Amino acid sequence: GAVVSQHPSRVICKSGTSVKIECRSLDFQATTMFWYRQFPKQSLMLMATSNEGSKATYEQGVEKDKFLINHASLTLSTLTVTSAHPEDSSFYICSALSKGNEKLFFGSGTQLSVL
Amino acid sequence: SQQGEEDPQALSIQEGENATMNCSYKTSINNLQWYRQNSGRGLVHLILIRSNEREKHSGRLRVTLDTSKKSSSLLITASRAADTASYFCATKIQGAQKLVFGQGTRLTINP
Repeated sequence: GAVVSQHPSRVICKSGTSVKIECRSLDFQATTMFWYRQFPKQSLMLMATSNEGSKATYEQGVEKDKFLINHASLTLSTLTVTSAHPEDSSFYICSALSKGNEKLFFGSGTQLSVL
Repeated sequence: SQQGEEDPQALSIQEGENATMNCSYKTSINNLQWYRQNSGRGLVHLILIRSNEREKHSGRLRVTLDTSKKSSSLLITASRAADTASYFCATKIQGAQKLVFGQGTRLTINP
């Protein structure tokens, strides 16, 4: 099956710093990638949808200048949490969709802790 | 309002029993999918059922879809301890790229 690699799996950073999370599709071309945030024992909250080569579409209430998403190639999307605050601490997950496919392939998630 | 709402929120059963989870949604869909998430991990796709299908099977999984009631159920038969996880339904809304996930059911299988 298709593999999506997400790194890092866990990151601890100081308040005010920026953190970049990578999401790679290893054996398929991901025309669309999605970024989610998940709090403990809760569902996934979609943050943004990114299509290769175009600007990401952010969900209502998600600050695009705080959560920078880049999808420069068909195999890589990055989420940068800028000027991180403790309230940004969360589990972030990416997923990828290939053209013509209807099911999502997920990365293993990144646990971000902001001190 | 939530597109996908699941019940129960949590379910604990003995190994070997069947587990049933339900999902309700509000708008017209192209398909409905079920995913599984082990604690602290990403989600894994289990099964997809299209809006013109009523039932689908995959191994020990059985999914039903009732578009008139806007609801779906996931049945796991002969449960195993390894089935312990959270299960989410996700709906593909007509005209949209994204999937909307339900709140999930936390399933615990006791050995």
